[in-house]
Amino acid sequence: GENVEQHPSTLSVQEGDSAVIKCTYSDSASNYFPWYKQELGKRPQLIIDIRSNVGEKKDQRIAVTLNKTAKHFSLHITETQPEDSAVYFCAASIQTSYDKVIFGPGTSLSVIP
Amino acid sequence: GAGVSQSPSNKVTEKGKDVELRCDPISGHTALYWYRQSLGQGLEFLIYFQGNSAPDKSGLPSDRFSAERTGGSVSTLTIQRTQQEDSAVYLCASSGQGNFEQYFGPGTRLTVT
Repeated sequence: GENVEQHPSTLSVQEGDSAVIKCTYSDSASNYFPWYKQELGKRPQLIIDIRSNVGEKKDQRIAVTLNKTAKHFSLHITETQPEDSAVYFCAASIQTSYDKVIFGPGTSLSVIP
Repeated sequence: GAGVSQSPSNKVTEKGKDVELRCDPISGHTALYWYRQSLGQGLEFLIYFQGNSAPDKSGLPSDRFSAERTGGSVSTLTIQRTQQEDSAVYLCASSGQGNFEQYFGPGTRLTVT
């Protein structure tokens, strides 16, 4: 079945450094790739998403890149701040549906002041 | 406007009892999802409703789990004969047609003793 892998499972960076989280997916028909952030004790929230017709998307300090040939996509956070500390989940849509996605196992990011 | 709400926020039940978890999606959202999140783990897909289509039940872990969505709005997830391994946070999310962002509820923390 469809599968999304995510690495690393945990990541610690110094404040101000960059953080990169990588995901791979198995369904070549996937065309929508959202990223969710879940702070401790809170609900997941969408932070950025990308569709298969673009290779990169940026929103302030956050960017996502997509390589459809290799079936992998990455989240890049620059100038990290302590409030970036959270669990980040990548996801990939099932076949050509945008609505249903499969989530990766998550990456726990710690930004050390 | 109001976000996704879930009730109860916490539920403690004895092994073998049935439980019902409720989700109120954002008004007008046609898609509704249930996920299970065990402590420190990822988002495990359970079931997905989209409009009047037959629900996608492919993630339900056993026949003790069932869900319904009445009138295209409120959804109830029922777990029969609960087991200790059912202990987790159950998250509900909804999304609107044409907008694929999933808005999550606060979750129901289920503890089976």
